[in-house]
Amino acid sequence: ILNVEQSPQSLHVQEGDSTNFTCSFPSSNFYALHWYRWETAKSPEALFVMTLNGDEKKKGRISATLNTKEGYSYLYIKGSQPEDSATYLCAFMWQAGTALIFGKGTTLSVSS
Amino acid sequence: SAVISQKPSRDICQRGTSLTIQCQVDSQVTMMFWYRQQPGQSLTLIATANQGSEATYESGFVIDKFPISRPNLTFSTLTVSNMSPEDSSIYLCSVWSGGAGGELFFGEGSRLTVL
Repeated sequence: ILNVEQSPQSLHVQEGDSTNFTCSFPSSNFYALHWYRWETAKSPEALFVMTLNGDEKKKGRISATLNTKEGYSYLYIKGSQPEDSATYLCAFMWQAGTALIFGKGTTLSVSS
Repeated sequence: SAVISQKPSRDICQRGTSLTIQCQVDSQVTMMFWYRQQPGQSLTLIATANQGSEATYESGFVIDKFPISRPNLTFSTLTVSNMSPEDSSIYLCSVWSGGAGGELFFGEGSRLTVL
């Protein structure tokens, strides 16, 4: 059974703090790794799609890294803002054409 | 990108009843996907809906419980039949943008509570 683990399950930070989350996935077969942000009452939206070992992607204050050999990805948020409050989902695809396998997500709450 | 409209956004249902969720996409797509997120659990794929053929269900999901229609390339419905409290979940429809670097686009979800 393919499993995607995310940690921590939730965290609460102050505005301006930087934070990071972890996504672990099976390292035996790899096709792609996705990060999604899911704000309350909205649709999940893709942040990053990563396909190559060593990939580093950045969007504003948010960045992500990928290590396919050891089976993990990190998501970093620099200088957290209240609008960053959301659940961050990691999803793994082990082969082209297969379904994305999602982790349970990390719920971030940022206080001003 | 794709804009996906889902309804209802939320509902409270009685045990034993059925509810149909509608999903409308603003462009023609070959495959539409239905996901479920039970409280505290991962987003889990229920089935893939293809236009003109029967939906393909994932392990643990059956057509009698989750019948799906796909009458055209922009619309699909998912019915949750004979509901029990365990069916209380967020149900999401989604489409794939295509290609190796593709991503999923989601509707806003339908939050069902079964009493």
